[in-house]
Amino acid sequence: AQSVTQLDSHVSVSEGTPVLLRCNYSSSYSPSLFWYVQHPNKGLQLLLKYTSAATLVKGINGFEAEFKKSETSFHLTKPSAHMSDAAEYFCVVSGPGNMLTFGGGTRLMVKP
Amino acid sequence: ETGVTQTPRHLVMGMTNKKSLKCEQHLGHNAMYWYKQSAKKPLELMFVYSLEERVENNSVPSRFSPECPNSSHLFLHLHTLQPEDSALYLCASSQGTGSAYEQYFGPGTRLTVT
Repeated sequence: AQSVTQLDSHVSVSEGTPVLLRCNYSSSYSPSLFWYVQHPNKGLQLLLKYTSAATLVKGINGFEAEFKKSETSFHLTKPSAHMSDAAEYFCVVSGPGNMLTFGGGTRLMVKP
Repeated sequence: ETGVTQTPRHLVMGMTNKKSLKCEQHLGHNAMYWYKQSAKKPLELMFVYSLEERVENNSVPSRFSPECPNSSHLFLHLHTLQPEDSALYLCASSQGTGSAYEQYFGPGTRLTVT
């Protein structure tokens, strides 16, 4: 069994300040973990993935995430937020058969 | 834009209608998926197809009927739906069904059941 908890349903930051979106997971397997972003009226776009290689994963648009097994966390960060980063972000764990379990999502708002 | 397309993008249907959602992937992938995204609920996996065979049906009501005629196309046939079936229906594809394969999503079909 697997589950994902995104600790914040909404995060608001000012443009140019750091972004932190928190995610905790549980899995009976060695998980693959993903972050997806969804802009309004769009499908989901993959930001980055962790598949048991390097624990610090770099993704697109300056995002990165660190896999911490001891804390069962996979938080998403970005050093400096841009207005175009405003969207909903999903932390996802993949299990056997590539069945994805999604977190509840975090809506990121970026203030000018 | 991704290599997964979905039509129609918006659909309004009555509870007695029959309609179909279409998904096409242009990525040469072998697995395809249907998800349901409802307001205030996490995305839910509905169906998984690998090499055109259904490998998972996540306890979805029979009023939803999937069809995968080939590895590039996936349909979701709808009949006698309920208002609570109103949601965004997302299609995805992946190279395989191993857990490390990322899934590529289409833009979704926004379904409203009246």
